[in-house]
Amino acid sequence: AQKVTQAQTEISVVEKEDVTLDCVYETRDTTYYLFWYKQPPSGELVFLIRRNSFDEQNEISGRYSWNFQKSTSSFNFTITASQVVDSAVYFCALSEASSGNQFYFGTGTSLTVIP
Amino acid sequence: DAGVIQSPRHEVTEMGQEVTLRCKPISGHDYLFWYRQTMMRGLELLIYFNNNVPIDDSGMPEDRFSAKMPNASFSTLKIQPSEPRDSAVYFCASSQGVSNYGYTFGSGTRLTVV
Repeated sequence: AQKVTQAQTEISVVEKEDVTLDCVYETRDTTYYLFWYKQPPSGELVFLIRRNSFDEQNEISGRYSWNFQKSTSSFNFTITASQVVDSAVYFCALSEASSGNQFYFGTGTSLTVIP
Repeated sequence: DAGVIQSPRHEVTEMGQEVTLRCKPISGHDYLFWYRQTMMRGLELLIYFNNNVPIDDSGMPEDRFSAKMPNASFSTLKIQPSEPRDSAVYFCASSQGVSNYGYTFGSGTRLTVV
């Protein structure tokens, strides 16, 4: 079974629109960590954020915000006022304390921001 | 810090040839990971090392794949003989401590086997 599900395969928005990328995870661990990575067209994987399971505070960083809800096992990512440079594939990932260093990546959401 | 450095960025080789991918982790990072990314399978963990010692190689697809980490600043992933289905982007990543701190990825090596 998929531990991390990103149901949205592709999303297109017009510049300046807000967009939310969904991430649902599955774990039995009480201690775990969630991540978002960005993969722009150039191909590198860029770390965006890390959250641990004990901190459900939402986080905002500029135009980016993350909504962590343990009740629904979700860790959604919102980009406000999207820009063309936000066009990329975004990956959600889970790391469980019991699984050592195994990262479970979602299949990614490809975001295209249309100018 | 220069980040995780991978070489080459692109590699095109003929089926049956040996391919060696290289990685220099971030200095001070004690974990090193090799991932493969394909459209069909997404990001797959191949192997990871802790303090130069291979810890989990269960993701290595078959005996044609091997990885070494002779010292803290260098690792190789070798495919011998290569096959067209090995075509993918191979990422190296490193981290300090356990993965809950997140990885730093290299820029990847795009391998094409013809």
